[in-house]
Amino acid sequence: QSALTQPASVSGSPGQTITISCTGTSSDVGTYNFVSWYQQHPGKAPKLMINEVIKRPSGVSNRFSGSKSGNTASLTISGLQAEDEADYFCCSYAGGNTFVVFGTGTKVTVL
Amino acid sequence: QVQLVQSGAEVREPGASVKVSCKASGYTFTDYYLHWVRQAPGQGLEWMAWISPDTGGTDYAQKFRGRVTLTRDTSISTAYMELGRLGSDDTAVYYCARGKPPDAFDIWGQGTMVTVSS
Repeated sequence: QSALTQPASVSGSPGQTITISCTGTSSDVGTYNFVSWYQQHPGKAPKLMINEVIKRPSGVSNRFSGSKSGNTASLTISGLQAEDEADYFCCSYAGGNTFVVFGTGTKVTVL
Repeated sequence: QVQLVQSGAEVREPGASVKVSCKASGYTFTDYYLHWVRQAPGQGLEWMAWISPDTGGTDYAQKFRGRVTLTRDTSISTAYMELGRLGSDDTAVYYCARGKPPDAFDIWGQGTMVTVSS
């Protein structure tokens, strides 16, 4: 199973809204509503930001939202802040022997 | 608070094995699966395997079958990942993460750096 495809980098100015895409296949993103998003700052462990496509865990800012259409999931960050600068990875359940597949990762830069 | 605390960094020679521990606290150990995910330097995340602390059942990614063994000790709320026949491409940070399949990994350990070098 190949990794989900994400743009290598996305940038925006403080206060702007950015969207990160995550493209999979009908075997993962397109079939299952178990897409999650993780934020990772340098040298730190990943942090869950979105699960089950649209759910925001307790404590995660409401500036983060998720969506899905067909084989592509998206993470939107509104009101971009300096602390949002990090790497972001999507992840989808894929069933069977694969279990989950991660995205290639996107570096978000706040200009 | 809920946390997973992993053992410290390891250095191994090619062909050797390494065993990493992951101690859970702040929740009922047997209520959640524990997964192992690795990240090579500058690379993305790769799921390796899971263990059910309740039953001891495991599942491994095809790539790691025969080389990875997951175990747990419920008396001390600790899970273990042993990776054998190490090669240089196994140099990575290894994370344990909590989850209830097929849902997300909601709590992560701090990571354990494993370096394979002669």
